[in-house]
Amino acid sequence: RKEVEQDPGPFNVPEGATVAFNCTYSNSASQSFFWYRQDCRKEPKLLMSVYSSGNEDGRFTAQLNRASQYISLLIRDSKLSDSATYLCVVNQAGTALIFGKGTTLSVSS
Amino acid sequence: GAVVSQHPSRVICKSGTSVKIECRSLDFQATTMFWYRQFPKQSLMLMATSNEGSKATYEQGVEKDKFLINHASLTLSTLTVTSAHPEDSSFYICSASQLSYNSPLHFGNGTRLTVT
Repeated sequence: RKEVEQDPGPFNVPEGATVAFNCTYSNSASQSFFWYRQDCRKEPKLLMSVYSSGNEDGRFTAQLNRASQYISLLIRDSKLSDSATYLCVVNQAGTALIFGKGTTLSVSS
Repeated sequence: GAVVSQHPSRVICKSGTSVKIECRSLDFQATTMFWYRQFPKQSLMLMATSNEGSKATYEQGVEKDKFLINHASLTLSTLTVTSAHPEDSSFYICSASQLSYNSPLHFGNGTRLTVT
């Protein structure tokens, strides 16, 4: 089983749609969780951290379920500029981040 | 905010030559830096953990004699791809964190290596 698994994608949605990405992780000792965004041929950029109580940043909402080892990202009112690959990322204390393969989102007008 | 600078952004070299990639933390000290590699349509894969003042820790399957890592200061780590071959062509990205854990990583812009 891979350490971090994500929805295979791609997700093709119209502008204004709501889209949700799911992610599961295998290591129960994982302590920190993030969603990164990666545009084509660019480095990943932090989108948001994921907290146990769930957190929201504008149109983006992240949820964490430690019992199920599950993370989600919800994007509301999708914009064309949201088109990118979204990476689910986890790590344990003092270790490097482990990346999921990513889910590609394409928002069309 | 914290910035990580990586250089060069793109390099094309002939098979058999060596290529050095630099990674600098510009406004913070990074005792640990991480080197990742990403092949097309694949996820970022950790190659090695670079520790200032000590030997790097390599992930399984990564040849330490081929991918030489030097972390001589708190702001600079270098990755040298020795005797590069076409299969080494990839996107190499370095990253660093201000804290040892529980902080997101800051990434360099990446280096796209093409070996002909």
